Amino acid sequence: DAGVIQSPRHEVTEMGQEVTLRCKPISGHNSLFWYRQTMMRGLELLIYFNNNVPIDDSGMPEDRFSAKMPNASFSTLKIQPSEPRDSAVYFCASSLRQGPANYGYTFGSGTRLTVV
Amino acid sequence: AQSVTQLGSHVSVSEGALVLLRCNYSSSVPPYLFWYVQYPNQGLQLLLKYTSAATLVKGINGFEAEFKKSETSFHLTKPSAHMSDAAEYFCAVSDKTSYDKVIFGPGTSLSVIP
Repeated sequence: DAGVIQSPRHEVTEMGQEVTLRCKPISGHNSLFWYRQTMMRGLELLIYFNNNVPIDDSGMPEDRFSAKMPNASFSTLKIQPSEPRDSAVYFCASSLRQGPANYGYTFGSGTRLTVV
Repeated sequence: AQSVTQLGSHVSVSEGALVLLRCNYSSSVPPYLFWYVQYPNQGLQLLLKYTSAATLVKGINGFEAEFKKSETSFHLTKPSAHMSDAAEYFCAVSDKTSYDKVIFGPGTSLSVIP
């Protein structure tokens, strides 16, 4: 398995532009998570999906952020309009949820976003 | 709500010395506990997990952690540090009321001195 695949690896954009980050989870995994990592705030859970349905988006910082999971093999995180404070590394992770248990996630390599 | 604290944002050890990274958690119900490692410019990799089976958990790369309920701790150890162990280590917790919502600690950066 190729693991969790994120694209692009690096993104530099100007303030006000729309940014779309992409994630392909591990085949067969039914839970997907978006995290943001910064020096100041560490790892923050933004949103997660079970079986393609958003379960908890309480970590999404503002209405400028949105996430979709149209099918089991693809998810996007969109920022519109982007701002310099959105600069961070964004990680996608997936897991196989089997009943009431958590056996850990597999993380992608992340997208480093720089908004200038 | 769950939370995680990691004592020491940076730890230095000599090659061959014991590695001890501290983690304390707060959870109102029995937790799931994890240690992840992050190498530079990479994603996080699961080292080990506690899911209410044995309290001493063995993971990859020679690491292990012990769950101590009375101390609400889940410290990570390795008997002998290797240069390749230099990385950022994150302790994380979820609980049985919200299995999927994993909260990460702030991380501990481990340096290994030759």
